[in-house]
Amino acid sequence: ELKVEQNPLFLSMQEGKNYTIYCNYSTTSDRLYWYRQDPGKSLESLFVLLSNGAVKQEGRLMASLDTKARLSTLHITAAVHDLSATYFCAVVGTSGTYKYIFGTGTRLKVLA
Amino acid sequence: DAGVIQSPRHEVTEMGQEVTLRCKPISGHNSLFWYRQTMMRGLELLIYFNNNVPIDDSGMPEDRFSAKMPNASFSTLKIQPSEPRDSAVYFCASRGPEGGGYYGYTFGSGTRLTVV
Repeated sequence: ELKVEQNPLFLSMQEGKNYTIYCNYSTTSDRLYWYRQDPGKSLESLFVLLSNGAVKQEGRLMASLDTKARLSTLHITAAVHDLSATYFCAVVGTSGTYKYIFGTGTRLKVLA
Repeated sequence: DAGVIQSPRHEVTEMGQEVTLRCKPISGHNSLFWYRQTMMRGLELLIYFNNNVPIDDSGMPEDRFSAKMPNASFSTLKIQPSEPRDSAVYFCASRGPEGGGYYGYTFGSGTRLTVV
């Protein structure tokens, strides 16, 4: 059974600081997604990573994927308050299923 | 494109009542997913359809839950009878076919269900 773990679960950081969120998964997967959720809102797609070594960047967020280590990272550079949200990674297995298994989420709070 | 449309946005019902949640996927998307989100259990996949056919309902918690997709533009999730532990946010998501250039889900706004 595919399991997806994120850490940390909670992250409080000062504006201007850098930090990394980690997403580990338990079995082989050929793609990984990152989503953002604001309180009381739906999930918004941030990145899709399709291959080993893939790196995607959007503004202050950069995501990478290491399929051999079964690890993805979401790096935050010079955090700003607007980045405060919960971030989820989701993994799809290689069996052809369309099921996403979501991580536990990382609740990020950026302090002004 | 109006995105994935869910209704109602909020539902408050009494224990034992029937609840029906509705979802309209994005036109052209051929996969539809129902998720439940709670603080304790996070995001759980309940069921998903491909080309209107239920593919995997292993996440449906019990027989009180049922889902249908009578056509490509409409799906329902029904809970009968509802219980307080069913209180959660229920999300519907849809996904386009492979090769479309984008592989991810698009989520609806969710239905916040409260069973009292």
